Amino acid sequence: QSALTQPRSVSGSPGQSVTISCTGTSSDVGYFNYVSWYQHHLGKVPKFMIYDVSKRPSGVPDRFSASKSGNTASLTISGLQAEDEADYYCCSYAGSSTWVFGGGTKLTVL
Amino acid sequence: EVHLVESGGGLVQPGGSLRLSCAASGFTFSDYWMNWVRQTPGKGLEWVANIKKDGSEKYYVDSVKGRFTISRDSSKNSLYLQMNSLRAEDTAVYYCARRGYGDYDRAFDYWGQGTLVTVSS
Repeated sequence: QSALTQPRSVSGSPGQSVTISCTGTSSDVGYFNYVSWYQHHLGKVPKFMIYDVSKRPSGVPDRFSASKSGNTASLTISGLQAEDEADYYCCSYAGSSTWVFGGGTKLTVL
Repeated sequence: EVHLVESGGGLVQPGGSLRLSCAASGFTFSDYWMNWVRQTPGKGLEWVANIKKDGSEKYYVDSVKGRFTISRDSSKNSLYLQMNSLRAEDTAVYYCARRGYGDYDRAFDYWGQGTLVTVSS
């Protein structure tokens, strides 16, 4: 049940793209196609952004995309907007009805 | 509209106990697995525990096994977390989160605003 590894911070200018990585193990990210991503603005409720590695729930802009390769999942935000500045967390199903989250990445829009 | 509202957080001494509650509304509570997720100061999120729709199965992160107990009361649309033998490292904001249904079954589709638990002497 070790936390998934995310970069502490990333940054980009408006209009640019950024990618946030999320590295787990062959027991979680690498084994299950159940990676999800959450956006968290300080003081607000975490928002569900991606499920099943790369699928977007209704209402999430297509500027948000995600993928997985081996034990590493990635979230890409294209066409950065000021409102995208937030903390982003990945999460993976780890089997036996347990879950593991990443340490979170702070996105700064310059 | 789905709402999850946590309560019960506060300051407690090491070794003490606290019971968190989460009031759910806007959906059929008994149709969903429910979870507690915490965010420790300066760190990321950590899944803590979950409970099956009918309460028949419960799972915990290793660090809280034997100390925390998750439960639910569908007649009150409420989720609970009984926390005993609290330690400083349990200090966190505790979120109630709903595990999705159908396509969203392997994600947490709604979260509460969180309740702060501080373990300190």
